[in-house]
Amino acid sequence: ETGVTQTPRHLVMGMTNKKSLKCEQHLGHNAMYWYKQSAKKPLELMFVYNFKEQTENNSVPSRFSPECPNSSHLFLHLHTLQPEDSALYLCASSRTLSEGSYEQYFGPGTRLTVT
Amino acid sequence: KQEVTQIPAALSVPEGENLVLNCSFTDSAIYNLQWFRQDPGKGLTSLLLIQSSQREQTSGRLNASLDKSSGRSTLYIAASQPGDSATYLCAVSGNAGNMLTFGGGTRLMVKP
Repeated sequence: ETGVTQTPRHLVMGMTNKKSLKCEQHLGHNAMYWYKQSAKKPLELMFVYNFKEQTENNSVPSRFSPECPNSSHLFLHLHTLQPEDSALYLCASSRTLSEGSYEQYFGPGTRLTVT
Repeated sequence: KQEVTQIPAALSVPEGENLVLNCSFTDSAIYNLQWFRQDPGKGLTSLLLIQSSQREQTSGRLNASLDKSSGRSTLYIAASQPGDSATYLCAVSGNAGNMLTFGGGTRLMVKP
């Protein structure tokens, strides 16, 4: 596999379920990101990790819990979600979290539907 | 707080036309600006990245310009093709590291 991969590609879950989204990058990068893309809203940054350490939490509700066990893997653990959390969740990576000079590469996304 | 606006929100053109997509941002203190392409239900593909010290970047039929002082960027697509149909997103990276702020996108349809 090359680039940034995400699994599952589609997920339907009830409000009481617990599920996890997985992201893996094969680019040798050290920074990884979670974004949320809702219908009719711009892409929103959720979390940023640099060398496995969380550097940014963009006021995301605690029902979203990220985990970065190493520089190649990023998870988003989901529990007791709301229907308005239905969206496309995108993972991205870049070489590192320097001062804005590095290009971000995106995965294909996980389409999440909360029923 | 940085805000990024893209105009128009949607654009439909016949094949072969040259076209310009616009992006504006409120805070000119940016490190770089990226243009992405997104096909329906898919992730983002990076098209061009312009560093704040640069004025333009070119890749094939695409040319992106940056006027940092006025808070504007344009993406020029030459000789448009039906395969160019997608949503084009502009994003800027600000002072706080590599965090991107996105515009709402321009949905482009190129008709054969």
